[in-house]
Amino acid sequence: GQQLNQSPQSMFIQEGEDVSMNCTSSSIFNTWLWYKQDPGEGPVLLIALYKAGELTSNGRLTAQFGITRKDSFLNISASIPSDVGIYFCAGLNSGGSNYKLTFGKGTLLTVNP
Amino acid sequence: NAGVMQNPRHLVRRRGQEARLRCSPMKGHSHVYWYRQLPEEGLKFMVYLQKENIIDESGMPKERFSAEFPKEGPSILRIQQVVRGDSAAYFCASSPRKEAPPNYGYTFGSGTRLTVV
Repeated sequence: GQQLNQSPQSMFIQEGEDVSMNCTSSSIFNTWLWYKQDPGEGPVLLIALYKAGELTSNGRLTAQFGITRKDSFLNISASIPSDVGIYFCAGLNSGGSNYKLTFGKGTLLTVNP
Repeated sequence: NAGVMQNPRHLVRRRGQEARLRCSPMKGHSHVYWYRQLPEEGLKFMVYLQKENIIDESGMPKERFSAEFPKEGPSILRIQQVVRGDSAAYFCASSPRKEAPPNYGYTFGSGTRLTVV
């Protein structure tokens, strides 16, 4: 089956620093998504990317859909304590199974005030 | 406007017991998806249901697991004769249409944490 490799597994940063994490796949996805999961909660969608090469921002978050459609990255600028959580990338294919998300294993972000 | 509601939030079962997890989709949503998250893993798709129909159960273990979404009431994920390896967080998502996020409101609930002792 399709697999997503997400890195790094965890990050410890100081408040105010920028963060970058990425996701690679062994196969092509038509849509890339980035989610955040707070402790004890479900994942919440941050950014969705639909076209190869697309660069999209949402406040301090910026994400890009790789040209090969096999990778994506997420940047967080000027981190704040509430950015703490687990960030997941997810891929989605078009066609008959365009409801089935494939998730990476996540990047655990810790922000020291 | 309530989101996707899952209950219980936490469930403890002894090995061999049955676990029933409930999911009430958002108002107006008739498509339900179940995912499982093992410790330190990402979510993995289990099953997709519409009212009274199982559309795709390709991610469901072949034995002991079943799911339903009756005409009235919540969707139920049922695990019979639980084993320690079933300990995980189980998430439900719902959408008003078949297609996934974000344009179609595919929203996750807060999950049920199942612990098998």
